[in-house]
Amino acid sequence: NAGVTQTPKFQVLKTGQSMTLQCAQDMNHEYMSWYRQDPGMGLRLIHYSVGAGITDQGEVPNGYNVSRSTTEDFPLRLLSAAPSQTSVYFCASSYWWDTEAFFGQGTRLTVV
Amino acid sequence: DAKTTQPNSMESNEEEPVHLPCNHSTISGTDYIHWYRQLPSQGPEYVIHGLTSNVNNRMASLAIAEDRKSSTLILHRATLRDAAVYYCILRALPGSDSGYALNFGKGTSLLVTP
Repeated sequence: NAGVTQTPKFQVLKTGQSMTLQCAQDMNHEYMSWYRQDPGMGLRLIHYSVGAGITDQGEVPNGYNVSRSTTEDFPLRLLSAAPSQTSVYFCASSYWWDTEAFFGQGTRLTVV
Repeated sequence: DAKTTQPNSMESNEEEPVHLPCNHSTISGTDYIHWYRQLPSQGPEYVIHGLTSNVNNRMASLAIAEDRKSSTLILHRATLRDAAVYYCILRALPGSDSGYALNFGKGTSLLVTP
């Protein structure tokens, strides 16, 4: 039981490049979400999903796309990276909306 | 959205109890009170949650005021490993304005000294 696995752990991108941050969970959780955390700040919700095939926007969705084709995976795509997207990204999953959320270890992204 | 207010930082001695306060005066009747913590360079970790009654688990206790406008996370014996940022979060019902999000504020940075 690995929990929530994020890859890669570190990434440097050039402005304008695209990439996908991977998130996988093996707990059969319906709810999955992506957050970003900027220095000295709390986490902010980017996108979330309440089940396979269902996604919705969070607080800061611009510049990011998501899809949920399986229960296990919830990738986050950066379409055209910008320096403002330099941040630490966390993926989370939970069985239901009010149950314990499990977080991955994070992906530290730098856009130069 | 219902908001929470926490002190920016607190300090405790090792092996002493720690009481971390949280004010949420605009809480609605269906909001759950959740606590998470984030150790340095790690993802947030669930600590405890409750609705109306006090709750205990292996990590901590949660004391909820009778009017639910405040709550206190209690660490019974602080250890150096408990040094982290602690977040008090209100979870609203799906379909409400805050929806599914865990609305992290800045939390309370807990320093534990030997």
